Amino acid sequence: AQSVAQPEDQVNVAEGNPLTVKCTYSVSGNPYLFWYVQYPNRGLQFLLKYITGDNLVKGSYGFEAEFNKSQTSFHLKKPSALVSDSALYFCAVRDTDGSDYKLSFGAGTTVTVRA
Amino acid sequence: DVKVTQSSRYLVKRTGEKVFLECVQDMDHENMFWYRQDPGLGLRLIYFSYDVKMKEKGDIPEGYSVSREKKERFSLILESASTNQTSMYLCASSPLSKDRASYEQYFGPGTRLTVT
Repeated sequence: AQSVAQPEDQVNVAEGNPLTVKCTYSVSGNPYLFWYVQYPNRGLQFLLKYITGDNLVKGSYGFEAEFNKSQTSFHLKKPSALVSDSALYFCAVRDTDGSDYKLSFGAGTTVTVRA
Repeated sequence: DVKVTQSSRYLVKRTGEKVFLECVQDMDHENMFWYRQDPGLGLRLIYFSYDVKMKEKGDIPEGYSVSREKKERFSLILESASTNQTSMYLCASSPLSKDRASYEQYFGPGTRLTVT
């Protein structure tokens, strides 16, 4: 079985400060990991993914994420947050040992960046 | 750019009505998905399809059915709507990949359904 946890419902940071959104996962085999962002009244937009290779993945809008196999984590980071980064963020995982195309999503983390 | 469109942004239906939610993608993707999104629960998969006329149950298929008669279109059907089906419904698509699912999914804008 595959699952993902986002331990923080909300993250609040000041503009210009570093932003981290946490994600941990559980799989039987190896993980495919994804981050998505959802702005108010919009669908989800893809930010970045880890499939294989370099543990540090760079994505859209200046975001990056670090895959840590020993800690089963895939935290999303941005060195300097913007007010426009305020949104709902979802981590998702798929087990490579699985037999279908299903992704499992976390419950989401609401990020608020104050000016 | 991949475009996934959904037939309605907002929908209000009465209990017991049959409800159709339509999703269309324009990138010739093989895989299509229907999710519902509820606060604190994230996204939960209702059904998915990996080919025309093929469908697989997701995690919460009860009370729903789907139809995929053409590659670009995937419909979600609520046979008899109930108040506990009030939710945001998201459609997504992705291409087929050799390693099964390394491609990201592309999402539509969502349909907020209210059942009264």
